[in-house]
Amino acid sequence: AQSVTQLGSHVSVSEGALVLLRCNYSSSVPPYLFWYVQYPNQGLQLLLKYTSAATLVKGINGFEAEFKKSETSFHLTKPSAHMSDAAEYFCAVSANYNQGGKLIFGQGTELSVKP
Amino acid sequence: KAGVTQTPRYLIKTRGQQVTLSCSPISGHRSVSWYQQTPGQGLQFLFEYFSETQRNKGNFPGRFSGRQFSNSRSEMNVSTLELGDSALYLCASSSRGTSADTQYFGPGTRLTVL
Repeated sequence: AQSVTQLGSHVSVSEGALVLLRCNYSSSVPPYLFWYVQYPNQGLQLLLKYTSAATLVKGINGFEAEFKKSETSFHLTKPSAHMSDAAEYFCAVSANYNQGGKLIFGQGTELSVKP
Repeated sequence: KAGVTQTPRYLIKTRGQQVTLSCSPISGHRSVSWYQQTPGQGLQFLFEYFSETQRNKGNFPGRFSGRQFSNSRSEMNVSTLELGDSALYLCASSSRGTSADTQYFGPGTRLTVL
């Protein structure tokens, strides 16, 4: 069975600093991995996804993530944080290899950005 | 293209009542999934429908049910509401319903059970 662990329920960075949000997965089959962002009182917006093409995936708003099979990790990074990046971030794995529609989410990481 | 829409956005019910939530997917999308989001349990998968058939189901009691119509619109129903059902219910749609597909989320319905 697939699972996702996000290390750190809350991360605080200064504006302009590197953002690093950690995600480790467990999967018995090659996974499809996703990062979503949620702003207050809104739904989830896709930042990027890994679907077994390039291991370094670039997403929206300057975010990127690297798939490392040996470490079972899919950490999210952004070189320079902006105040508008403050939100909650979720890592997810697609649960059914042959069928879609079911995502397993991590517990989320709340990102705060200090001026 | 319009995004995923959910109605209503907010609901207040009392214990024992039932509730129906509605989701309209992105035009052309055939897969609709439902998730429950709470501070304690996080985001949990409820069920997924594809071409009017339930394909996947999460670990929720039978009080939670859903259906999908021929136009891909979906509804979920919760009967005999409990206080613990208070949550944000999110609907997501994807085009082909495969594992690699992006799921596009609606804004959610905030259900409060008193």
